[in-house]
Amino acid sequence: EAGVAQSPRYKIIEKRQSVAFWCNPISGHATLYWYQQILGQGPKLLIQFQNNGVVDDSQLPKDRFSAERLKGVDSTLKIQPAKLEDSAVYLCASSPIRVGEQYFGPGTRLTVT
Amino acid sequence: GQQVMQIPQYQHVQEGEDFTTYCNSSTTLSNIQWYKQRPGGHPVFLIQLVKSGEVKKQKRLTFQFGEAKKNSSLHITATQTTDVGTYFCAGTGTNAGKSTFGDGTTLTVKP
Repeated sequence: EAGVAQSPRYKIIEKRQSVAFWCNPISGHATLYWYQQILGQGPKLLIQFQNNGVVDDSQLPKDRFSAERLKGVDSTLKIQPAKLEDSAVYLCASSPIRVGEQYFGPGTRLTVT
Repeated sequence: GQQVMQIPQYQHVQEGEDFTTYCNSSTTLSNIQWYKQRPGGHPVFLIQLVKSGEVKKQKRLTFQFGEAKKNSSLHITATQTTDVGTYFCAGTGTNAGKSTFGDGTTLTVKP
């Protein structure tokens, strides 16, 4: 069974630029999560999708972050414009059910200079 | 909002010693999950506990869920160098079903 795929793996941008991350969850997993993990901290949930609907986006900085999962499969997370404090690893995870074990992708390491 | 705290933040042990990390939630949980993240890697699911007072074992790892479903622990017996990494708990609240991760306990093992 293929795992969660993410791209790119690394990205370096300057502040005020835009960036987009892509995630393809495990086949058949209805729930998809985007997390931000700052060095030395636990993953912080940005947004949770159930199929193509948003379940929780209470911690998503909506003035600069957006995410979509149009067909209920893969998803994109965008940051526009980026700030220095957005430097982190962005993790995508999927789960077969709404509340259950989560399977993480390798993450995208973003550096904002 | 729901907060999940883990202690200790770091633990350094000699190979063969035991290790325990504790997870405490500010609210009652419907379940708790444990993950391991190796240096440079991503979190990998270890186990989920659902029932009050539940104890589960995976080889040298023992997981417990408190009676009040607000705390949990992970105990590793006779640590090995392969146990190195950061151990995270993630608690799922009873209301919105949202999971909150703790900041983890980073384990280093000296051979």
